[in-house]
Amino acid sequence: NAGVMQNPRHLVRRRGQEARLRCSPMKGHSHVYWYRQLPEEGLKFMVYLQKENIIDESGMPKERFSAEFPKEGPSILRIQQVVRGDSAAYFCASSPGSIAGVYEQYFGPGTRLTVT
Amino acid sequence: DAKTTQPPSMDCAEGRAANLPCNHSTISGNEYVYWYRQIHSQGPQYIIHGLKNNETNEMASLIITEDRKSSTLILPHATLRDTAVYYCIVRVGSNNAGNMLTFGGGTRLMVKP
Repeated sequence: NAGVMQNPRHLVRRRGQEARLRCSPMKGHSHVYWYRQLPEEGLKFMVYLQKENIIDESGMPKERFSAEFPKEGPSILRIQQVVRGDSAAYFCASSPGSIAGVYEQYFGPGTRLTVT
Repeated sequence: DAKTTQPPSMDCAEGRAANLPCNHSTISGNEYVYWYRQIHSQGPQYIIHGLKNNETNEMASLIITEDRKSSTLILPHATLRDTAVYYCIVRVGSNNAGNMLTFGGGTRLMVKP
């Protein structure tokens, strides 16, 4: 059973460009979480999605950031008009939605975004 | 979610048990204690969780005090590969909205040869 997959693993963007980060959850998992880790800081929650629904986006900046988890395909975290402060590691986690008592989140390897 | 307090760093000799403490004095009755670790820049790795009983799996043991105000993660025979930042997190055990993981500073465990 493959783990959570994220791509690309490293992404370099110039200021003003768009960044698209992809996350494929573990097989059978229907819940996806995105977290951001700034350099030398802890992980911060951004957004929680289920298939075709955003459940909680309280940690996501109101502007330039958006996330989706379509019926088919991976979850996408999109950052428009990137700035240097967006440089960070972005981690995706997934959890199953239907197995009673199983709420652990399993993390992917992360995407390291560098804005030049 | 309840706030947790962990020592910022600890050392442990290779092959010895590593005991990582966590205080969560404001934990609620329906909140679980979860432990994750992050090995240098990798994605966090789930270790173990518990509600009130002690738990053991292939990675570690979790000892929760009777009043549930503190817990200890035990790595029985630490290896160099266990060097990581260990996070103690308290959260409700469900997939409801708002049940994200709230990571504090964690404990940086250094296993030394």
